Amino acid sequence: GQNIDQPTEMTATEGAIVQINCTYQTSGFNGLFWYQQHAGEAPTFLSYNVLDGLEEKGRFSSFLSRSKGYSYLLLKELQMKDSASYLCARRDDKIIFGKGTRLHILP
Amino acid sequence: GAVVSQHPSWVICKSGTSVKIECRSLDFQATTMFWYRQFPKQSLMLMATSNEGSKATYEQGVEKDKFLINHASLTLSTLTVTSAHPEDSSFYICSGGSSGGAGELFFGEGSRLTVL
Repeated sequence: GQNIDQPTEMTATEGAIVQINCTYQTSGFNGLFWYQQHAGEAPTFLSYNVLDGLEEKGRFSSFLSRSKGYSYLLLKELQMKDSASYLCARRDDKIIFGKGTRLHILP
Repeated sequence: GAVVSQHPSWVICKSGTSVKIECRSLDFQATTMFWYRQFPKQSLMLMATSNEGSKATYEQGVEKDKFLINHASLTLSTLTVTSAHPEDSSFYICSGGSSGGAGELFFGEGSRLTVL
């Protein structure tokens, strides 16, 4: 993706917490998406942050710092079904995705 | 959430033929549609952005004469892969937004194209 960086792969244990970071270019920034994608399927929406701060939705939370060009997705109480790719996407006049982070959950 | 219906889900075609993929927004008016391509184990690469009633804006490196995009109504956008080659084999996925794209983006189910 264009100037969007996130780790390629991460591994965590079932029941644990994992934080997936995303940094992006700040110029023209309008918002930051997080999507989950299981292999062979379309992405599904997780969150959309426009303002600074933390937004919580059940086991998933997303944080944004506009001035730092930084976001993270926090997944709590990990379950095996959370094994997927997590895509960070930046919006200006279009929506550009990062390369995605493949999350592996170990039992 | 809103629904975007994309079909066909799977298509196999011979080299040199054309394939049309349709993307319909079922319960909202998609003023903007984005078309993405995804190769195995890679992320979504934006191909083009289309706004209803106007020409699509293509990303650098995407041939507009090869990937024809039409967004003639607020509920339908189509991508036609012309003169398909094996290297065009990929997962193509559309997404739509309303209100000029200020909110959430809704994805179609994706179309897996295999060119023989």
